[in-house]
Amino acid sequence: NAGVTQTPKFRILKIGQSMTLQCTQDMNHNYMYWYRQDPGMGLKLIYYSVGAGITDKGEVPNGYNVSRSTTEDFPLRLELAAPSQTSVYFCASSRGDQPQHFGDGTRLSIL
Amino acid sequence: RKEVEQDPGPFNVPEGATVAFNCTYSNSASQSFFWYRQDCRKEPKLLMSVYSSGNEDGRFTAQLNRASQYISLLIRDSKLSDSATYLCVVNENTGGFKTIFGAGTRLFVKA
Repeated sequence: NAGVTQTPKFRILKIGQSMTLQCTQDMNHNYMYWYRQDPGMGLKLIYYSVGAGITDKGEVPNGYNVSRSTTEDFPLRLELAAPSQTSVYFCASSRGDQPQHFGDGTRLSIL
Repeated sequence: RKEVEQDPGPFNVPEGATVAFNCTYSNSASQSFFWYRQDCRKEPKLLMSVYSSGNEDGRFTAQLNRASQYISLLIRDSKLSDSATYLCVVNENTGGFKTIFGAGTRLFVKA
């Protein structure tokens, strides 16, 4: 029962570096989401997708990009890492308006 | 007014206590409702869906009041393992749908 798998689990980046956070789900869910959660704060939606080839901005999209070429995969790209992007990143998926299932997160520090 | 508002925390209760959380939502067109729990430094996990007639799962009872636009979660006979942050989640009908997570209420259960 893999569910939603995120890689890597931890990463330290230098300012200005780029990286891709990977997310894959094996539940054939059409909706996928990326959130960030800063310490002691709630979830903030970065981007979401309602199906392959369709993506849309959430509440805090600046500094990030996504793609959805397949139903299973929804990678999140940071092009020029900034200290403000230090956070925990969660990927989630759902079938329509059913409950979202979350991956166990990527802890990202930018120094 | 926030789209989804929860009781401010933290709640500190002794083992065996009954504790109740409330959550209000602003959009009367909201369609589905959930409670999640999130342990420290972990991903949110679905605790239970909330149905119009109210529903129970062991020590947990969820209720929905559409007229007053609030949902509640009651935990009976609190256990140490119930210590977590509880998130109220609402799906709004906005043409497609939009999922809104509350900021969460922190619960500490003490021996």
